[in-house]
Amino acid sequence: DGGITQSPKYLFRKEGQNVTLSCEQNLNHDAMYWYRQDPGQGLRLIYYSQIVNDFQKGDIAEGYSVSREKKESFPLTVTSAQKNPTAFYLCASSIYTHQPQHFGDGTRLSIL
Amino acid sequence: AQTVTQSQPEMSVQEAETVTLSCTYDTSESDYYLFWYKQPPSRQMILVIRQEAYKQQNATENRFSVNFQKAAKSFSLKISDSQLGDAAMYFCAYRSAVQGGSEKLVFGKGTKLTVNP
Repeated sequence: DGGITQSPKYLFRKEGQNVTLSCEQNLNHDAMYWYRQDPGQGLRLIYYSQIVNDFQKGDIAEGYSVSREKKESFPLTVTSAQKNPTAFYLCASSIYTHQPQHFGDGTRLSIL
Repeated sequence: AQTVTQSQPEMSVQEAETVTLSCTYDTSESDYYLFWYKQPPSRQMILVIRQEAYKQQNATENRFSVNFQKAAKSFSLKISDSQLGDAAMYFCAYRSAVQGGSEKLVFGKGTKLTVNP
C-alpha cells in the first residue's frame, strides 16, 4: 500500500538534545512538508521541499532543520534551539501539480 | 499573507441531522484551492473535500458538500445525515494556485464536531 510513514509515534527529548523525526513516502510525490500542531493553533508549516536537495523555510522554522537527500525521505531535526518543542508533528506530501496533500499519522514529541 | 478563520471552536449535531461548519479566508489571489480536512481522535488528517476557486459549482462528496462564495471569501462545509463516525476536528485550509508557488497549506484553527446519538 502506498502512503506516508512517520516514526516514531512517540518521542521524548531531554534538555539540550537534538532529536530527529522520520518521514518516508512511497507515493512518488515530489513535494514534502512538515507541520506542527499545538492545541488551539491548527497546523503551522515548519519546512517544505519541492524537489530533492532543495527545501524552504515555512512560517516557524526557527529551531528546526531538515534534509532532502532522497525523494522518498524528508527527516526533521528538532534542535536544542527549539525551546518549546512539545507538540504533534505531521508530515505530508503531494504531487507537484497542485494535488491535495496526504498526511502521515504523526509523531508526538514531549520534553523529559 | 493568506489567512483562514474558523469562527466556531465547537459544534454539536444530533445523529442523522445536518450541520454546517463555517470558514472564511483572506487572500488577494484569484486562483487558489480550498480544502476541508477531518482529524479524528487517531490524529490522522483525512481529506474530506476540495474546491477549485475557478469552479463556480460547489463540490460534493457523498454526505459532504460545500457552499463556496468567492466574493464573500466564504467556504462552509455541510454534513448531511450526520453519523457518529463524523465526530472529529475539522480544518479548513487554503492553498495558492499561483504558478511556481510553494503549494503550502494555510490552516484555520479547527472546529471540534460532536455527534450526539
